[in-house]
Amino acid sequence: DGGITQSPKYLFRKEGQNVTLSCEQNLNHDAMYWYRQDPGQGLRLIYYSQIVNDFQKGDIAEGYSVSREKKESFPLTVTSAQKNPTAFYLCASSMNYEQYFGPGTRLTVT
Amino acid sequence: AQKITQTQPGMFVQEKEAVTLDCTYDTSDPSYGLFWYKQPSSGEMIFLIYQGSYDQQNATEGRYSLNFQKARKSANLVISASQLGDSAMYFCAMREDYGQNFVFGPGTRLSVLP
Repeated sequence: DGGITQSPKYLFRKEGQNVTLSCEQNLNHDAMYWYRQDPGQGLRLIYYSQIVNDFQKGDIAEGYSVSREKKESFPLTVTSAQKNPTAFYLCASSMNYEQYFGPGTRLTVT
Repeated sequence: AQKITQTQPGMFVQEKEAVTLDCTYDTSDPSYGLFWYKQPSSGEMIFLIYQGSYDQQNATEGRYSLNFQKARKSANLVISASQLGDSAMYFCAMREDYGQNFVFGPGTRLSVLP
């Protein structure tokens, strides 16, 4: 089945550690996105990529980094520079007008 | 500037009744798309309905319809015959064709009462 996978569903890290969240899609979509969602809030764009080897910062890119070496994959690294990393992270991809989402990763940093 | 406004943080509706969730947007781009997503407590984002800025007809998908009033920059979601499974967060979103990004509103929490 085609879709977007994010792993793991839950992730726990100690403060000061970098952590990488995976996002893979087999929909052959060019564009991929990372969003952050805090409790009771909407989605905020962290990074997006329209094509392989190219990506742009979204509204809240500070403390995050991404790579897009393959069309199918768009991993997000939450660095120790991110002040409040605990959140729900959603990856998405799009072709034309519709955007498809992965199931999300809930990151807790203590 | 807030591009998507959802003025109802929470809404209640009786099972089998219809409910309207409000969404207004702001853009100077003549070509854009409007979307509604449902987010149950599991966290997944489920695409519900899409309306293009040049579409003449209001979009419909099963029990969902989008009341698109372009001059008022309004794109309200109407859910007919509410079901208990409709209880969730609902997000309105917009994509400007020039901007390529999706912008989301703050969401409305809908609770369907038995």
